[in-house]
Amino acid sequence: DIVMTQTPLSLSVTPGQPASISCKSSQSLLHSDGRTYLYWYLQKPGQSPQLLIYEVSSRFSGVPDRFSGSGSGTDFTLKISRVEAEDVGVYYCMQGIRLKTFGQGTKVEI
Amino acid sequence: EVQLVESGGGLVQPGGSLRLSCAASGFTFSTCSMNWVRQAPGKGLEWVSSISGNGDYIYYADSVKGRFTIYRDNAKNSLYLQMNSLRADDTAVYYCARDQQVVDLDYWGQGTLVSVSS
Repeated sequence: DIVMTQTPLSLSVTPGQPASISCKSSQSLLHSDGRTYLYWYLQKPGQSPQLLIYEVSSRFSGVPDRFSGSGSGTDFTLKISRVEAEDVGVYYCMQGIRLKTFGQGTKVEI
Repeated sequence: EVQLVESGGGLVQPGGSLRLSCAASGFTFSTCSMNWVRQAPGKGLEWVSSISGNGDYIYYADSVKGRFTIYRDNAKNSLYLQMNSLRADDTAVYYCARDQQVVDLDYWGQGTLVSVSS
């Protein structure tokens, strides 16, 4: 099974400042088709999760450009260039190369 | 607009059964793989099961294998999860979520709560 490890598990941020979350997988997420199946989701308080980033760095429809994803192989990062109040919630990374496995989640608060 | 609406949750005794449903609209249901993902109270997300668009490929998490069955009715644009031999640790909000080609879990429903308790 692929294990996803996120750090930190909680993050206190100041509006307007950047924030960064790390995600490491126990195996490479690079598929033989050339794609890397790493996703980022945000679950805002009281809501269902929503997709932010797919294939490491592609922003999903409607996601603000202050969100960016990077990385390769087993090491990945989600960055928020300037945090806004609406960005609070729990962020999850997920691998989709072998079934699906989520990281533990990173709680972001202002 | 893509919509996924779960139903069927509730309180059930340990060892009991429950069937969850997910009604899909706003997209061509039969072309998308579908998933169930759950979240225990105060905990993180756990993928439960996936089914391909035509139902030929089905996968389960080890934690539910042999107890849960995923299936779909493309004529009714509906996804189901039959849950048997329920345990206290199955207590969670269950979400259905869509896979669109190589983009996994792009849309989620609002979830339905399953509580397993005597």
